[in-house]
Amino acid sequence: AQKITQTQPGMFVQEKEAVTLDCTYDTSDQSYGLFWYKQPSSGEMIFLIYQGSYDEQNATEGRYSLNFQKARKSANLVISASQLGDSAMYFCAMRDPDNYGQNFVFGPGTRLSVLP
Amino acid sequence: GAVVSQHPSWVICKSGTSVKIECRSLDFQATTMFWYRQFPKQSLMLMATSNEGSKATYEQGVEKDKFLINHASLTLSTLTVTSAHPEDSSFYICSARIPGTGFPHEQYFGPGTRLTVT
Repeated sequence: AQKITQTQPGMFVQEKEAVTLDCTYDTSDQSYGLFWYKQPSSGEMIFLIYQGSYDEQNATEGRYSLNFQKARKSANLVISASQLGDSAMYFCAMRDPDNYGQNFVFGPGTRLSVLP
Repeated sequence: GAVVSQHPSWVICKSGTSVKIECRSLDFQATTMFWYRQFPKQSLMLMATSNEGSKATYEQGVEKDKFLINHASLTLSTLTVTSAHPEDSSFYICSARIPGTGFPHEQYFGPGTRLTVT
């Protein structure tokens, strides 16, 4: 079984500043992937970024980047130049090996509030 | 990109009644769909895995007689909450998997259905 930990229930950031959302994970698998999803108040799950355990470079997607530290089992999401529209819940997730990697296991989430 | 729809987007029902939630893959065939439940201010938890043409696999603690799942076609899975009670009030999200397309975009989430039982 694996577990995802997000230690920050809530975070505040000033508009245009950068913010790091923490995620640590526990898995015995050698090959795995980390996902980050954004969930605005509407409830939809928006895929942000993916990092494979064997990827040599940290993933980046526009203003999103992933600070992947495999030895520490951490995959922190960095959002640069925060915008008001970034206010949402953010979930770190992994594929579930107990279900053949089909579904996701999510962390508890971090609520990000961007201040004007 | 692939789209998954859910209907209805929100529903209010009286305690003791049943409500059906539909999850459709609009432009692809989904052999496997997943149903998640999200209570307020909590994370998503997998309820069941739905495979087309076979019985759903339920997670531990999820009552299969209460949450009936039918995946009768490659584009539609339904979740029926039978004899709903206020504690079933939650946000229900489905996701559909496109096999063989590779990480990470092979699974897509529906927009969710907010169920309120009064």
